[in-house]
Amino acid sequence: NAGVTQTPKFRILKIGQSMTLQCAQDMNHNYMYWYRQDPGMGLKLIYYSVGAGITDKGEVPNGYNVSRSTTEDFPLRLELAAPSQTSVYFCASSYSTSPSNFFGPGTRLTVL
Amino acid sequence: GENVEQHPSTLSVQEGDSAVIKCTYSDSASNYFPWYKQELGKRPQLIIDIRSNVGEKKDQRIAVTLNKTAKHFSLHITETQPEDSAVYFCAAIPGAQKLVFGQGTRLTINP
Repeated sequence: NAGVTQTPKFRILKIGQSMTLQCAQDMNHNYMYWYRQDPGMGLKLIYYSVGAGITDKGEVPNGYNVSRSTTEDFPLRLELAAPSQTSVYFCASSYSTSPSNFFGPGTRLTVL
Repeated sequence: GENVEQHPSTLSVQEGDSAVIKCTYSDSASNYFPWYKQELGKRPQLIIDIRSNVGEKKDQRIAVTLNKTAKHFSLHITETQPEDSAVYFCAAIPGAQKLVFGQGTRLTINP
């Protein structure tokens, strides 16, 4: 199993550009999450999904959108990138019966 | 909503000594408390967890204790080694399997 995979690993965006961060898992987990981690800080939940077709906002959803069309994939869309969105983005997944999050390797995003 | 406070923010111990990191939570409905270790430039990885119906759990040199009445839980690392140097995060789940993380503790093991 590859576990949780994320692409790209690094990206530099200009202010106002848009992009999609990809996340996939092959563990048949129902739950998937997107977190951001600012330098020297903890993780904050952006969006999460309890299954295909169901998504909900986390603590810091503004400026982001998600979709969950399949169990395996959970892309995060950034519209009109701003410097405040410079961060490391982690995707995670878990079973519905166990809340332990399995994290992907992260995407380091810089907005200039 | 749930709020998790973690202390200390930095901790430096001599190799072989013990390290203790403490967290408090606010929502009495929280029932699951994991601890994650994050090495520099890496992803967080689960190292131990405890559920609210258990007071203590051990895994080799690592242990976690939970005091539901006081709403705090702690990570204990004994016989520390250089590879224990990392940032440690506690978390709590108040419901819907949404983790709320503490701010992190940077642990440094001095040889």
